[in-house]
Amino acid sequence: DAKTTQPPSMDCAEGRAANLPCNHSTISGNEYVYWYRQIHSQGPQYIIHGLKNNETNEMASLIITEDRKSSTLILPHATLRDTAVYYCIVRARAGNMLTFGGGTRLMVKP
Amino acid sequence: SAVISQKPSRDICQRGTSLTIQCQVDSQVTMMFWYRQQPGQSLTLIATANQGSEATYESGFVIDKFPISRPNLTFSTLTVSNMSPEDSSIYLCSAYPPRNSYNEQFFGPGTRLTVL
Repeated sequence: DAKTTQPPSMDCAEGRAANLPCNHSTISGNEYVYWYRQIHSQGPQYIIHGLKNNETNEMASLIITEDRKSSTLILPHATLRDTAVYYCIVRARAGNMLTFGGGTRLMVKP
Repeated sequence: SAVISQKPSRDICQRGTSLTIQCQVDSQVTMMFWYRQQPGQSLTLIATANQGSEATYESGFVIDKFPISRPNLTFSTLTVSNMSPEDSSIYLCSAYPPRNSYNEQFFGPGTRLTVL
């Protein structure tokens, strides 16, 4: 699975959009981009995934660049409860185990 | 969705002892995964546990130190053997509910282990 690079930390004001970038420049054609988050003292939680089209669900939007070498997770209206570590993971096949990188620690501030 | 529970939620153990962590899933799953999260670090996969076969361990993890059982499709245990303070971590189990196309991996709440 391709390696990902994320900024170690970000701040966001409550109510504003949080845009979390991820670089995966070595991604191959059959690899998906997954996002998980881990709120303090909890297990990771799935957010969203995509292959090449932009995706949206009730939690977030995922924007993948046309060359697929990077992506952005968007939390449209961040709340204090969105404070967590966000992991961007690239994986070739559904059902394979997830390999976690360092993630981005998002701090939502009032 | 799936509910994954773990026991114990936390424990404090003495050096040289062993602890067995239990993981229960509320639905039958083919694969279960065990991860370790050291203080302030990301998650590292220890092993994959399939029912009816021996667990597959990742580089740096061995069966003698982390024996795993998988007696049925809803349950697994991870034992941390001959513990040292370096084993102080959160241990998480994980699985894919079969009905979600294997995209959403669910995690238990973790077992916080402190070794003195």
